[in-house]
Parts: sequence; structure tokens; C-alpha cells
Amino acid sequence: GAVVSQHPSRVICKSGTSVKIECRSLDFQATTMFWYRQFPKQSLMLMATSNEGSKATYEQGVEKDKFLINHASLTLSTLTVTSAHPEDSSFYICSATGQDGNQPQHFGDGTRLSIL
Amino acid sequence: GDSVTQMEGPVTLSEEAFLTINCTYTATGYPSLFWYVQYPGEGLQLLLKATKADDKGSNKGFEATYRKETTSFHLEKGSVQVSDSAVYFCALSDWGAQKLVFGQGTRLTINP
Repeated sequence: GAVVSQHPSRVICKSGTSVKIECRSLDFQATTMFWYRQFPKQSLMLMATSNEGSKATYEQGVEKDKFLINHASLTLSTLTVTSAHPEDSSFYICSATGQDGNQPQHFGDGTRLSIL
Repeated sequence: GDSVTQMEGPVTLSEEAFLTINCTYTATGYPSLFWYVQYPGEGLQLLLKATKADDKGSNKGFEATYRKETTSFHLEKGSVQVSDSAVYFCALSDWGAQKLVFGQGTRLTINP
């Protein structure tokens, strides 16, 4: 089946650091990628939707200058958490889908971000 | 807006017990419905889906039927195993919009 690779799986860094998370579709062209945030024992909250070659669409309440999203190719999207602080610590998950609007989303394994 | 409500967990069962996890939804259109499973420390895996009323999705012994009249998509399995222990998410998306709206998740623990 379709595979989405997310890297790194875990990051621990100091407050003020910027962290980049990569999301790759390995065997299909991902025209749309989604970024989610999941707090412990809670559901996934959609942060933004990115279409290849265009600016990401952010959900209400998500700071676009804080969470920079780039979707420069059909197989790669990146999420950069700029000047991360402890409250940004969370589990970040990406998903991807192809051109067929009826395709389900395929999820990466997530990135656990811990800001000290 | 669209929303999904799942039964609250955690749910703890013995091996070989019957499982039901309730899921109801509200949507303005005709959404597709999904069940995703999340194992510890991992992302989500699609378990099953249904795209129209009365469709039944099934996979790995799990089943769910799209009930438009009751706006429900309950997950069932006749005999659970320890390896089924995970968090289960019910979700919907409107065709074309592709955005997934998730329920709050139900943590399932199966004891041997």
C-alpha cells in the first residue's frame, strides 16, 4: 500500500531552536499533504493543508509564522517549528493523498517533539 | 460544521470478547466515513472505510456499516485479540474537501 515516511521520529531540543520535520510520499505523488498535531491522549487537530506548489492553508488559530510549511515537490512537504518553546512540545503527524479526491489519506508515523 | 463523536474510553476487554465502539457524526453533505487505528508511538493506519449509505467496510475482522438514518458508523469485531490493543479513531471527510474530521479516539486494551 501507499507509504508515507516522516522524519525525524523524535526530536529533543532547547527552547528557541527551530525544528524541521519532513514528510515524504514514497510510492505515489502527493498533491495534497496535511499536518496534524496531537496532544497526549487527545485526537488529531488539523493544523494546515498544503498543495504542491502553492501556499499552505492554515486552520483557525494556527500561527503561520510559527509553523512554516513548504510543499515544493509532489513527494515532499516540510513543517518547520520556528523558535520552538516548551508549549510546542507535541506529536506532529503528516498525511498525504493523491490526485483522486476519493483516496484516503496515508499517514506518517509521526514526530515526537520535546522542547526543553 | 462537521463533527464526529465517539464513545468515551478507555475500553478494556478480555481476549475473544465482542467489541463495539460507537461513532456518530454530523455533516452537511454526504461524507465518507473511516476508522483509523493508532498503535503506541506510531501514526495512524486506515482500518476500514465506507463511502456511501449502507456500505459496509471490513478489514482484519473489524466491520462498520454506514448508517445514514442514524448517522452512525459503529466499529465491531466478533473476537478481539491482545494485538488489537490500540487507539481507534472514527473520522469523516467530504469528498473533494479531503479534510478529515476526527473523533476524540477510543483507547482499547485487550487482556489475555
